[in-house]
Amino acid sequence: DAGVIQSPRHEVTEMGQEVTLRCKPISGHDYLFWYRQTMMRGLELLIYFNNNVPIDDSGMPEDRFSAKMPNASFSTLKIQPSEPRDSAVYFCASSFLPGQGAHEQYFGPGTRLTVT
Amino acid sequence: DQQVKQNSPSLSVQEGRISILNCDYTNSMFDYFLWYKKYPAEGPTFLISISSIKDKNEDGRFTVFLNKSAKHLSLHIVPSQPGDSAVYFCAASNNYGQNFVFGPGTRLSVLP
Repeated sequence: DAGVIQSPRHEVTEMGQEVTLRCKPISGHDYLFWYRQTMMRGLELLIYFNNNVPIDDSGMPEDRFSAKMPNASFSTLKIQPSEPRDSAVYFCASSFLPGQGAHEQYFGPGTRLTVT
Repeated sequence: DQQVKQNSPSLSVQEGRISILNCDYTNSMFDYFLWYKKYPAEGPTFLISISSIKDKNEDGRFTVFLNKSAKHLSLHIVPSQPGDSAVYFCAASNNYGQNFVFGPGTRLSVLP
């Protein structure tokens, strides 16, 4: 398996523009997670899905952020409008249905977002 | 309020010696603990985990110890190798693998 795939790897955009980050989880995984990493706040969980259904979005910072998972092999994280403080590395991760010994998440390489 | 803490932002160790990375947590509902390693420009990769019903788990050069009463866990790397130089994240979750909380990370440098 190719692992979790994220695109683009780098995104530079101007303040006010819409940004869409994409993720393809590992085939067969039931859970998908979106994280944001910044120097100030470390690695934060934004939202996670189980079987394509959003379960917990309490980490989403504002209404400008939205995430969807239209099918088991694709998810998007959208920021509209983007602001400079959204600049961060965004990671997508996936995992099997959690159970004893199956909690580990597999991370993608991340998307480095810069909003100017 | 940080539920998972890694109080040492960085650690330097000589090659061949033991590296000990520490992690403290505050939420007694956590049942599962994991360590991830992260190289620059890559996503975190899973290293080793431990369930709250155990106090030790070993995988090759890596051993994780859990002290539930102290809400403390540690990762031991013996012997340390230069390739171990990375940022190490401690993470915790409930027994259903949800609500992952990551610590801020410790940057380990193994000096040749």
